[in-house]
Amino acid sequence: NAGVTQTPKFRILKIGQSMTLQCAQDMNHNYMYWYRQDPGMGLKLIYYSVGAGITDKGEVPNGYNVSRSTTEDFPLRLELAAPSQTSVYFCASSLNGMTSSTDTQYFGPGTRLTVL
Amino acid sequence: TQLLEQSPQFLSIQEGENLTVYCNSSSVFSSLQWYRQEPGEGPVLLVTVVTGGEVKKLKRLTFQFGDARKDSSLHITAAQPGDTGLYLCAGAGAGTALIFGKGTTLSVSS
Repeated sequence: NAGVTQTPKFRILKIGQSMTLQCAQDMNHNYMYWYRQDPGMGLKLIYYSVGAGITDKGEVPNGYNVSRSTTEDFPLRLELAAPSQTSVYFCASSLNGMTSSTDTQYFGPGTRLTVL
Repeated sequence: TQLLEQSPQFLSIQEGENLTVYCNSSSVFSSLQWYRQEPGEGPVLLVTVVTGGEVKKLKRLTFQFGDARKDSSLHITAAQPGDTGLYLCAGAGAGTALIFGKGTTLSVSS
């Protein structure tokens, strides 16, 4: 199993450009998540999905969009990139999500995004 | 709003020393998780504690969940350079998303 994969690894965008961060998992997990990690700030949840076709906002959703057309894929879309979106983005997946307090989240290697 | 405060934020020690990292909140959590993150990689789960007062050991790492399930600690005995990384605690509530602390960056030099 590859686990959770993310592409690209690094990306530099100009202000106003758009891009899609790709995330895929091969563990047949129902739940998928997008986090951003800024220095000294831990992980902030952007969006999550409880299954194909179902998504919901996390703590910091503004400026982002997601879709979940399949169980495996959960892309994150930035429509109009802003410097405040410079961050490291992590995708994660888990089997039981919020239905279990002992659920384990598996993280991808991250995408480092810089907006200039 | 549930918050998790981690301390210290940074820790730089010599190989062989002991250390403790703390994770505190005013809220009660169903469980507390500890993750370790190495540079350029995603976090990896180390342990989940569920019961108040619970103690779990993972080789030289000892994790404790407070009796009231509001706080947790991670103790490392005889730290090694391979322990270097960012340690994150995360709390799970009933039907809510994980809340992450800001992390403790540990550097162990030989």
